[in-house]
Amino acid sequence: ETGVTQTPRHLVMGMTNKKSLKCEQHLGHNAMYWYKQSAKKPLELMFVYSLEERVENNSVPSRFSPECPNSSHLFLHLHTLQPEDSALYLCASSPQSSYNSPLHFGNGTRLTVT
Amino acid sequence: GDSVTQMEGPVTLSEEAFLTINCTYTATGYPSLFWYVQYPGEGLQLLLKATKADDKGSNKGFEATYRKETTSFHLEKGSVQVSDSAVYFCALSDLSFGNEKLTFGTGTRLTIIP
Repeated sequence: ETGVTQTPRHLVMGMTNKKSLKCEQHLGHNAMYWYKQSAKKPLELMFVYSLEERVENNSVPSRFSPECPNSSHLFLHLHTLQPEDSALYLCASSPQSSYNSPLHFGNGTRLTVT
Repeated sequence: GDSVTQMEGPVTLSEEAFLTINCTYTATGYPSLFWYVQYPGEGLQLLLKATKADDKGSNKGFEATYRKETTSFHLEKGSVQVSDSAVYFCALSDLSFGNEKLTFGTGTRLTIIP
């Protein structure tokens, strides 16, 4: 148990669907992150929220839309995705977004776009 | 910009063998260095870290020393076990930017054969 819970674990969606990924942490952390993990590529940071404010958006396509309603919850809303968006999406949190504050990851959502 | 290069996998070893996974980095500032491990079906977990030159991080029999002169942070273990089979990620976090710029390598898949 990592303290960071992601749902669903697996998701299959068509290109015209709308779905949301959910992440929840009860570690009292102030920063939350979305990463994309694709085979043979480095983890790609997508979004960072610190104290519920977005502080980083790494040129992610607008078909990915994050939402952070409070410091314990983070969502990633998906719409009109492409097959190349199929990947493992990892949520993480940290006490703060400082440079030596380690990340705590969830187990990820395996997304397949058909 | 910052980057992390780690040895390509997959790496296959017999139980009780000596393990080295190489990691080198480039950074403009004074980074903290991390090794994360991802067990099958799970998210990443912090394995060890070092925050300044000549620091040695250690955990679960794994060690890595922050070598500024060679810009390296190689992961070593004297005697591996089957349970060490996982994907290992080297990462750096730049003091200038914090976790917003946490940079990962591509990961090295390790398989230990009984």
